[in-house]
Amino acid sequence: GGIITQTPKFLIGQEGQKLTLKCQQNFNHDTMYWYRQDSGKGLRLIYYSITENDLQKGDLSEGYDASREKKSSFSLTVTSAQKNEMAVFLCASSILGGHYAEQFFGPGTRLTVL
Amino acid sequence: TQTVSQSDAHVTVFEGDSVELRCNYSYGGSIYLSWYIQHHGHGLQFLLKYYSGNPVVQGVNGFEAEFSKSDSSFHLRKASVHWSDSAVYFCAVSSNYNQGKLIFGQGTKLSIKP
Repeated sequence: GGIITQTPKFLIGQEGQKLTLKCQQNFNHDTMYWYRQDSGKGLRLIYYSITENDLQKGDLSEGYDASREKKSSFSLTVTSAQKNEMAVFLCASSILGGHYAEQFFGPGTRLTVL
Repeated sequence: TQTVSQSDAHVTVFEGDSVELRCNYSYGGSIYLSWYIQHHGHGLQFLLKYYSGNPVVQGVNGFEAEFSKSDSSFHLRKASVHWSDSAVYFCAVSSNYNQGKLIFGQGTKLSIKP
């Protein structure tokens, strides 16, 4: 088995601030994802990475940057936090080549912007 | 464009009751359907998937789902729910045409009364 670790668990920022969320996985999976989850809504894909140093934009990439520094880690940056923004950011990973591969999720980072 | 619709935002049943959580999708090609569960404060966990073959698939903890091409549905069922099944359930679809990206429904919150 493996685990996905997300840090920090809670993130409080100020309007306009640049904020970075980190994700680590020890599944040895090739593909990693960042999703945004808003209350009462489904998950929306922000960025994903098929392999190390690869980056692909999802449906919600505007306002975010991502970085896949190595196979086991995937970072997400909120480039300019929006006032009153509240959401949970979920990181996930899966084996390469699987539109039929299950995704494994981390516990999430809860963002609050004051 | 692929879409996933979960028509019930909230379902409440008594412990021991059967339950069906509905999922409808719109897509004409070869697809992969899955269900995930999210307990409060946690990330998503994979429950089951369908890609081909027997349209009734079994998952963990007594859950099963049935694929229907004619109805464009993939409903999740459980014969007898336990209080620990209280969670939010997400249906998701992906295909070869979107590089394996999962499209999630809005989620159905299942509440279990004692």
